[in-house]
Amino acid sequence: AQSVAQPEDQVNVAEGNPLTVKCTYSVSGNPYLFWYVQYPNRGLRFLLKYITGDNLVKGSYGFEAEFNKSQTSFHLKKPSALVSDSALYFCAVIFSGGYNKLIFGAGTRLAVHP
Amino acid sequence: DGGITQSPKYLFRKEGQNVTLSCEQNLNHDAMYWYRQDPGQGLRLIYYSQIVNDFQKGDIAEGYSVSREKKESFPLTVTSAQKNPTAFYLCATAPGTNYGYTFGSGTRLTVV
Repeated sequence: AQSVAQPEDQVNVAEGNPLTVKCTYSVSGNPYLFWYVQYPNRGLRFLLKYITGDNLVKGSYGFEAEFNKSQTSFHLKKPSALVSDSALYFCAVIFSGGYNKLIFGAGTRLAVHP
Repeated sequence: DGGITQSPKYLFRKEGQNVTLSCEQNLNHDAMYWYRQDPGQGLRLIYYSQIVNDFQKGDIAEGYSVSREKKESFPLTVTSAQKNPTAFYLCATAPGTNYGYTFGSGTRLTVV
């Protein structure tokens, strides 16, 4: 079965420190992976995606993600966290069932403390 | 959220009522989706449509209905058969296969 796991409900980090939000996946075939961010009472905003190519993907707002095929992971990273990065982050994978269905992880709440 | 308009932002429903959530897009995307978001459960797919006049059930379609009469519009009706409708509802669109989604700003539905 195709799935996405975000093992941490919440990640706490001090402002200025690097952050990592973890994601692992299970799909058949080549994965198409995405990260989205959600602020309270808002829709999801696209951060970055991995389709093919370089394992390090750079996205919006200084975020990047590293695709690791052997570990089936797609962790979201940022070198220096901002308080304004505090939000809910979702990892997602496209379901390769002939239609464009995204399967989402449960989400990880990132709290950046001043 | 640009390009997708969800209305209303907040909606209150009485027991036994049907309510319709609107989703309109000007992105010219073929595919449209409805998700439900509950705390701690991530997003769950209700219905999706890949083309006008065609739609399929997602993982939690019971108690919901949709229509896709125009490319721009994909309204969701929450019927009285949906026993626990209080949630945040998100509409999304995509231009085709293997593309990510663009999301609307959501509608928060509360049963009173």
